[in-house]
Amino acid sequence: DAGVIQSPRHEVTEMGQEVTLRCKPISGHDYLFWYRQTMMRGLELLIYFNNNVPIDDSGMPEDRFSAKMPNASFSTLKIQPSEPRDSAVYFCASSPSLGQARRPQHFGDGTRLSIL
Amino acid sequence: AQRVTQPEKLLSVFKGAPVELKCNYSYSGSPELFWYVQYSRQRLQLLLRHISRESIKGFTADLNKGETSFHLKKPFAQEEDSAMYYCALSRPTGNQFYFGTGTSLTVIP
Repeated sequence: DAGVIQSPRHEVTEMGQEVTLRCKPISGHDYLFWYRQTMMRGLELLIYFNNNVPIDDSGMPEDRFSAKMPNASFSTLKIQPSEPRDSAVYFCASSPSLGQARRPQHFGDGTRLSIL
Repeated sequence: AQRVTQPEKLLSVFKGAPVELKCNYSYSGSPELFWYVQYSRQRLQLLLRHISRESIKGFTADLNKGETSFHLKKPFAQEEDSAMYYCALSRPTGNQFYFGTGTSLTVIP
């Protein structure tokens, strides 16, 4: 299993542009999470899905951020328009469903986003 | 509400010295606690979880419900332990994790 796959690994773009981050969870995992990592705030949960349905998006900073999960094997996080303060590393993680104790989350390599 | 606190953002120890990374949590129920580690420019990976009661790479962590703590300890630090460490809490219901702000550990040769 290749694990959680994120693309791109690095993204550099100008302020105001639309940014789309992609994630492929581990096959069979029902939960998918998007996190943002910064030096100041550490790891923040943005949104998570269960069976492709968004469950909690309270961590999404503002309306410029949106996330979708059209099927069990793909999710996107979109920022439109992007701003310099969005620069961070964005991680995607997935985990199997409950029923067999709480399962640890498996993380992707992250996307390092720089907004100029 | 649940909360995970890692009071130290940065921690430096000499090689061979004991190391303890602190983690305190607030949650009224019975959470599950985890430690994740992130080596330089790598993905986060699970280090250990309290229900396993195991030692990974020489690290151990004991859940102290009285003090609501889950400190990570290693008796003799190694240079390869230098990394970012995150403490995380999971509630009995839901797969959502709550992460602390992380502690960056540097082991000085």
